[in-house]
Amino acid sequence: DAKTTQPNSMESNEEEPVHLPCNHSTISGTDYIHWYRQLPSQGPEYVIHGLTSNVNNRMASLAIAEDRKSSTLILHRATLRDAAVYYCILRAGNQFYFGTGTSLTVIP
Amino acid sequence: AAGVIQSPRHLIKEKRETATLKCYPIPRHDTVYWYQQGPGQDPQFLISFYEKMQSDKGSIPDRFSAQQFSDYHSELNMSSLELGDSALYFCASSSQGLGHADTQYFGPGTRLTVL
Repeated sequence: DAKTTQPNSMESNEEEPVHLPCNHSTISGTDYIHWYRQLPSQGPEYVIHGLTSNVNNRMASLAIAEDRKSSTLILHRATLRDAAVYYCILRAGNQFYFGTGTSLTVIP
Repeated sequence: AAGVIQSPRHLIKEKRETATLKCYPIPRHDTVYWYQQGPGQDPQFLISFYEKMQSDKGSIPDRFSAQQFSDYHSELNMSSLELGDSALYFCASSSQGLGHADTQYFGPGTRLTVL
């Protein structure tokens, strides 16, 4: 199974940038890297995904290492609504392999 | 925009009973995925269907079965329920027409409690 490793928790001050790291040393050449976030008792919500190149969207940026063994989700300005568990996921074929996720706390 | 609908949202069953969870994907989505998330755990992939055929199988117990119907909705059938089956069950849908990197859209989940 494809595996990801993330820190259990991180804190950020409101309005500050947040860098959420993820290691995926066993990634294969065709695995896409997806990031989702989950609020308590809600379904995971798509944030961003990429394969090799860095990606930007209205929610976040995804920086992928050149060897693809790690990636970083960047929230440019954390808000209180960004407090959630962030999952770094490898997509192998049609299967999502969730890691343990990082619980992000945003401090006002 | 329409989202994934799951019913029921909450379900309480006794041990050894059966349960059926339903999932209605986003319109025009052809693929449905089922996940189980135990308390304090990350979601675990159970099974997926593409165009009404099973496409991938994860850690789904033999006591569970699922299918996708002609209208693309899916049902997860769970028999001989055990206490350990208590969890949040998420359904997600996607459109394979966008390629294998497409996004999965998750429903709000069904919270199953087995007493």
